Amino acid sequence: DQQVKQNSPSLSVQEGRISILNCDYTNSMFDYFLWYKKYPAEGPTFLISISSIKDKNEDGRFTVFLNKSAKHLSLHIVPSQPGDSAVYFCAASVKGGGNKLTFGTGTQLKVEL
Amino acid sequence: GAVVSQHPSRVICKSGTSVKIECRSLDFQATTMFWYRQFPKQSLMLMATSNEGSKATYEQGVEKDKFLINHASLTLSTLTVTSAHPEDSSFYICSAYLGLAGGPRETQYFGPGTRLLVL
Repeated sequence: DQQVKQNSPSLSVQEGRISILNCDYTNSMFDYFLWYKKYPAEGPTFLISISSIKDKNEDGRFTVFLNKSAKHLSLHIVPSQPGDSAVYFCAASVKGGGNKLTFGTGTQLKVEL
Repeated sequence: GAVVSQHPSRVICKSGTSVKIECRSLDFQATTMFWYRQFPKQSLMLMATSNEGSKATYEQGVEKDKFLINHASLTLSTLTVTSAHPEDSSFYICSAYLGLAGGPRETQYFGPGTRLLVL
C-alpha cells in the first residue's frame, strides 16, 4: 500500500525554467511533509518541509505548496539549474509517529542547458 | 550539516552468509537511527527504528531474526542481514535523528547507503 505517491518517474526541464514536482498521499493522518533530494550513491538530503497547518512554504528557489483537501503537494523550483538534476523524494510523517517517514517513489529531475 | 557514514558502501556475498552494515553519526549523538531499504525505482521503505540501549522496533513484514539491529552507542547502529539470500539484494540506507523527541522532523540525516548483492 503506497501511501505517498509520485506519479511522474521523471521530469525534464530547461535551465532557467520552473520545475514542478508533484506528490499525492492517501493517509489523512499525515501532518508534516518533506522533500528530499538524492544524488546517485548518496543518501537523501533535506530540502524543504511544510506543516499541514500551512499551504505554502518558501525557501529561496524552492517553494512547497500543500492542498490538504486534495491530499496533494508540489515542489516548485525556480529558476531551475543544472545542479538541481537529481532524484526528488516526497516524504510524510504523522505527529507522534516517532519521526518515522513514509517516502514516495521519487521523481528524476533533469535540468538541461 | 551533520554527517552520517555507512560502511561498507558496497558488498557482494554468497548466499547463506551474514553481512553487517554499520551506520555512524560522525559529529553528533543520535538517540534514534532508522534503517531503510530501497529496491530499484521504488521508494525508501522503513525497516526498523533503532533506539540506543533498547531493542529495535520493526515495521510490519520485516523479519526481526533476519535483520538484526544493534544500537550499542549514541553514534553507532549496525544492521546484520543473517543468512542472506538473493532476494535480500537491495540498497540499504540508514538515517540518524538529531534532536530531542518532538523536535523538527527534518533533522534526520541520511547515510550514503550500502549496496548489497547476494549471489
